[in-house]
Amino acid sequence: SQKIEQNSEALNIQEGKTATLTCNYTNYSPAYLQWYRQDPGRGPVFLLLIRENEKEKRKERLKVTFDTTLKQSLFHITASQPADSATYLCALGYNDMRFGAGTRLTVKP
Amino acid sequence: GAVVSQHPSRVICKSGTSVKIECRSLDFQATTMFWYRQFPKQSLMLMATSNEGSKATYEQGVEKDKFLINHASLTLSTLTVTSAHPEDSSFYICSARDLEGLANEKLFFGSGTQLSVL
Repeated sequence: SQKIEQNSEALNIQEGKTATLTCNYTNYSPAYLQWYRQDPGRGPVFLLLIRENEKEKRKERLKVTFDTTLKQSLFHITASQPADSATYLCALGYNDMRFGAGTRLTVKP
Repeated sequence: GAVVSQHPSRVICKSGTSVKIECRSLDFQATTMFWYRQFPKQSLMLMATSNEGSKATYEQGVEKDKFLINHASLTLSTLTVTSAHPEDSSFYICSARDLEGLANEKLFFGSGTQLSVL
């Protein structure tokens, strides 16, 4: 069966450090992978999309990598800030988009 | 960017009553909308795909008679939880794509509805 796994349920880091979140998948052959941010009691918000032919994508302090051989995506937040504290979700699919369980990131001042 | 409006944001009801949740695309047309459910500290689970002018497509294990979906216009989908019971208490979120926009693979989500059934 298809699975999307985000290895860490929670990640605590110090302000200014780089946060690295992992997303692994099985039984998918995705053309792209997406990352979303979800704050408590809110709907997810789109952050980045990376395609299968892209190794890396950046947006401001965010960087995503995509390794289709390892079936893994890494999501990095550099120079992290307390405002980055949220749950981050990876997602695959189009007509039936599925999400990983998410990693709850806490950035401490 | 595209905006999806969902309301109510919170509803508390008695067991056995029905609850309707509305999802609107405010500045774009959405022929398809997606309904998710999320239990505390768990991920979003796709419940059904709402199709404008036709029947919704339900995921395996989701009772279509329990969760009625109506997508009567290009900007409005509704989810009605019929005869709600405490086990239906959850966070319900709708989403849609702006197919006219750039990078139309991404989903825009409503702010969610927290349903509590007493």
